[in-house]
Amino acid sequence: DIQMTQSPSSLSASVGDRVTITCRASQSISSYLNWYQQKPGKAPNLLIYAASSLQSGVPSRFSGSGSGTDFTLTISSLQPEDFATYYCQQSYSTPGFTFGPGTKVDIK
Amino acid sequence: QVTLRESGPALVKPTQTLTLTCTFSGFSLSTSGMCVSWVRQPPGKALEWLAIIDWDDDKYYSTSLKTRLTISKDTSKNQVVLTMTNMDPVDTATYYCARTEVTNYYFDYWGQGTLVTVSS
Repeated sequence: DIQMTQSPSSLSASVGDRVTITCRASQSISSYLNWYQQKPGKAPNLLIYAASSLQSGVPSRFSGSGSGTDFTLTISSLQPEDFATYYCQQSYSTPGFTFGPGTKVDIK
Repeated sequence: QVTLRESGPALVKPTQTLTLTCTFSGFSLSTSGMCVSWVRQPPGKALEWLAIIDWDDDKYYSTSLKTRLTISKDTSKNQVVLTMTNMDPVDTATYYCARTEVTNYYFDYWGQGTLVTVSS
């Protein structure tokens, strides 16, 4: 199975900060990388698919980039509602989809 | 409007079989390219993909759990059922179903999840 890692595992940031989260795959996954946001007690919410495509309804302050093994999720200006845990997920290995361990973003 | 809802027991005993049902609306599992997946999340831990079934009744399972999982669908009822045998306390988790499309196998709509506790 393809292994996914994320860094950092957690970060503290202030409203208005630019935040970058990194996801790395154990082998090349082309652009088959998706990002989710999850708030406590809620189901995950798809933010970015195919590494850089913004899901409908997701604010434009979220963006994704990368291909191969290294990917990033960027929040250009952190808003109060963005404090959550973020997961990457590879969809290259079908089936056998794997998620990263998550990055928790909390308030500094 | 796409919605999914999981249902099943909140508590199961070790060694028992868990049966969960995902009832959905707003799409059809007979439409080419449509799939439904199951994903779980132990308390305080990360997401784990379990299984997927597609419009053509193809089924795929997590490598580590495939001997214990069975996924099936009832297209007429808009339902997908997941069974997991030989439940153990480590299987305590919130279980989610999610719509998936074969274009990129991302999970674009999720149910609210159902917490299953395994305890004697």
